[in-house]
Amino acid sequence: GESVGLHLPTLSVQEGDNSIINCAYSNSASDYFIWYKQESGKGPQFIIDIRSNMDKRQGQRVTVLLNKTVKHLSLQIAATQPGDSAVYFCAEIDYGGSQGNLIFGKGTKLSVKP
Amino acid sequence: EPEVTQTPSHQVTQMGQEVILRCVPISNHLYFYWYRQILGQKVEFLVSFYNNEISEKSEIFDDQFSVERPDGSNFTLKIRSTKLEDSAMYFCASSELASGANIQYFGAGTRLSVL
Repeated sequence: GESVGLHLPTLSVQEGDNSIINCAYSNSASDYFIWYKQESGKGPQFIIDIRSNMDKRQGQRVTVLLNKTVKHLSLQIAATQPGDSAVYFCAEIDYGGSQGNLIFGKGTKLSVKP
Repeated sequence: EPEVTQTPSHQVTQMGQEVILRCVPISNHLYFYWYRQILGQKVEFLVSFYNNEISEKSEIFDDQFSVERPDGSNFTLKIRSTKLEDSAMYFCASSELASGANIQYFGAGTRLSVL
């Protein structure tokens, strides 16, 4: 079946460097994408979202890029900090196929070295 | 900042027992969800709920599962006869909208351990 997946299960970066976390999705009908951050023992925390009619969206220190041609989503974190260490999930919604439930990828674990 | 709260944080039960997981969604939200996450795996959708009825459910959400909004603030997930494979983190989420920028806010989860 169609699913959201991630290229890399783990990513280790030096504090202060930029991080790029990638996500491949297979449902070309998906309308909306969200990145969540999950720290150990906590629930997913919203980071940033993007609609399918956009290519890029920026937040505070984070940027999400959407390439619909190759069905690829990325999360860029500028000046990565130790507090950014967590598992990052991309999630998608296909409003034409559902009532709005999120389909999550497996997650990428980001480790920030001081 | 408003948040989704879940209780208990950890529930231990014997196989075959009934459990009720509780959630208090964000007060002005109208759409409620349950997801689960088996250890080391991705978060999986269970059920969505709006206007006092189920909007959508996944294959995981079989006859052993039910949801209820017993009052104006609580949203519960009941598992009638727990199985070992029900052991997981269960997350409640709520959103203001069902379409467009449907940001779903998650609680901290309930860890269910079935022995």
